[in-house]
Amino acid sequence: GQQVMQIPQYQHVQEGEDFTTYCNSSTTLSNIQWYKQRPGGHPVFLIQLVKSGEVKKQKRLTFQFGEAKKNSSLHITATQTTDVGTYFCAGPYNDYKLSFGAGTTVTVRA
Amino acid sequence: DSGVTQTPKHLITATGQRVTLRCSPRSGDLSVYWYQQSLDQGLQFLIQYYNGEERAKGNILERFSAQQFPDLHSELNLSSLELGDSALYFCASSHLQPKGAEAFFGQGTRLTVV
Repeated sequence: GQQVMQIPQYQHVQEGEDFTTYCNSSTTLSNIQWYKQRPGGHPVFLIQLVKSGEVKKQKRLTFQFGEAKKNSSLHITATQTTDVGTYFCAGPYNDYKLSFGAGTTVTVRA
Repeated sequence: DSGVTQTPKHLITATGQRVTLRCSPRSGDLSVYWYQQSLDQGLQFLIQYYNGEERAKGNILERFSAQQFPDLHSELNLSSLELGDSALYFCASSHLQPKGAEAFFGQGTRLTVV
């Protein structure tokens, strides 16, 4: 089963509002990655976090890796219609397996 | 363009049949992953190869098998197909070490079993 849990599964956001999606691992991760899949598309790598407590920003997106390296979050400010899609977190397990969370599917109300 | 090529893009076949999905990884990438994505579902890890060797297995059915060839391309074989096997199958590749390397996904093969 999934070793990486994501919540919420669905996020309906009013355009201009902020939201956060969370990712939790059953074990400590060496790193965590985030991907975005647009409707009808394929997952595209967004970012990788490696250090405990690391925070990285990409324009309106803020990614954080927890101190214990078992959880992560993605915060999007001033949501736009271009943010529509499914956001996945992923972590490596057993040295090789890259395990993805179930994803948070984001829809935006204009 | 991720550099990962999957063929075919679409496949429609009947129950009980066998199909082969093909993946060409990015140039130089040694790791190949296969994932299954059913309608409104997340990415289910099937199997991973690294430089020709199987390195990790997920919830891959016994009816499914895969291999990675010396030129690093990979094939996913699905046999005795059932309606529930209808899904989007993604191949992804990664560079450097298998642990911690970002994955680049192909466009996927949409399999429809009728």
